[in-house]
Amino acid sequence: QSALTQPPSVSGSPGQSVTISCTGTSSDVGSYNRLSWYQQPPGTAPKLMIYEVSIRPSGVPDRFSGSKSGNTASLTISGLQAEDEADYYCSSYTSSSTWVFGGGTKLTVL
Amino acid sequence: EVQMVESGGGLVQPGGSLRLSCAASGFTFSVYWMHWVRQAPGKGLVWVSHINGDGSSTRYADSVKGRFTISRDNAKNTLYLQMNSLRAEDTAVYYCARAGRYCSSTSCYTGDYFDYWGQGTLVTVSS
Repeated sequence: QSALTQPPSVSGSPGQSVTISCTGTSSDVGSYNRLSWYQQPPGTAPKLMIYEVSIRPSGVPDRFSGSKSGNTASLTISGLQAEDEADYYCSSYTSSSTWVFGGGTKLTVL
Repeated sequence: EVQMVESGGGLVQPGGSLRLSCAASGFTFSVYWMHWVRQAPGKGLVWVSHINGDGSSTRYADSVKGRFTISRDNAKNTLYLQMNSLRAEDTAVYYCARAGRYCSSTSCYTGDYFDYWGQGTLVTVSS
């Protein structure tokens, strides 16, 4: 199972919006709404930010939103804050009954 | 409060074995599916293995199939990962992660996402 494709890095200034893409195939992202996003600041464990494409767990700010079209999912962070600087990973369930992550995207807040 | 604490990592020679543990607390461990996810130094997250609530169903990534075995002891609220025939490319921080679960008025469902993570344990395979 190949990793989902994410851009290595994105950046934005405080207050701006950024979007991170996550591209898979018809065997994973395109076939299921079982797409989740994780935030990982340096040296810490990942934290769930979005699940089932667009659902935010309790406690996650509504500045974080998710969507999906075809084989590509997106995470949008609006009103960027310095604390949002971290690595972000997408994950999908697959037709092989396994799970796959994206390669990760480093978000820099300028 | 949900907590998961991994242990058992360390330095092991190529071809060696190691058993990781993940002690869980703060939730009804036996009803939750559990996963192992690893992260090589400076690299991304990679899913390794999954086990359902009663241990009757397991899944593995192709890279570890036949070498790693996931198991659980619900009486001890503990998840395990037995790692054999270790290779240099198995060097990573290993996280245990809980699968999300939600309930309607009539049924409960396990989601395909990871809602809580442990802090990880480092496994280094080197001679």
